[in-house]
Amino acid sequence: GQQLNQSPQSMFIQEGEDVSMNCTSSSIFNTWLWYKQDPGEGPVLLIALYKAGELTSNGRLTAQFGITRKDSFLNISASIPSDVGIYFCAGQVGGTSYGKLTFGQGTILTVHP
Amino acid sequence: NAGVTQTPKFRVLKTGQSMTLLCAQDMNHEYMYWYRQDPGMGLRLIHYSVGEGTTAKGEVPDGYNVSRLKKQNFLLGLESAAPSQTSVYFCASSYWEGQETQYFGPGTRLLVL
Repeated sequence: GQQLNQSPQSMFIQEGEDVSMNCTSSSIFNTWLWYKQDPGEGPVLLIALYKAGELTSNGRLTAQFGITRKDSFLNISASIPSDVGIYFCAGQVGGTSYGKLTFGQGTILTVHP
Repeated sequence: NAGVTQTPKFRVLKTGQSMTLLCAQDMNHEYMYWYRQDPGMGLRLIHYSVGEGTTAKGEVPDGYNVSRLKKQNFLLGLESAAPSQTSVYFCASSYWEGQETQYFGPGTRLLVL
């Protein structure tokens, strides 16, 4: 089946630093999504990408849909303590996949004040 | 508007016992999903439903059954729980095929001894 490799697995950074994480796939996806999961909560959608090469921002977050459609990147600028959580990438093939998503393993982000 | 709710929040079972997890959504979504989340594995799709009365298998369906008798509810059943089913279970819903935003519930933590 399809697999997504997300890296890094975890990050420990100081408040104010920028963060970068990425996701790669062996298969092509038509949609890339980035979710954040706070402790004890379900994932919440941060950014959705629909076209190869697309660059989309949401506040301090910026994500890109790789040109090959097999990868995606998420950047967080000027991190703050509330950025702590698990970040997941997810890909969707589209078509008759009925909205099914394939998730990466997650990146655990810790921000030290 | 409660969004997606899950019952119970936490449960401990003995091997061989059965239980049902309830997911409810009040957004009139057509699609509903059950995922399990394990450390380092991301979220994996167990079963999903594209409408009332319909269900289909996801990536890891073995040992689980589901039912969607009402549009707003999606039940996940474990007939004979095994320690390998210790996990955090998330329910999600979305409007329809191609609407990528899946709204997640807060999760159910299940421990099978």
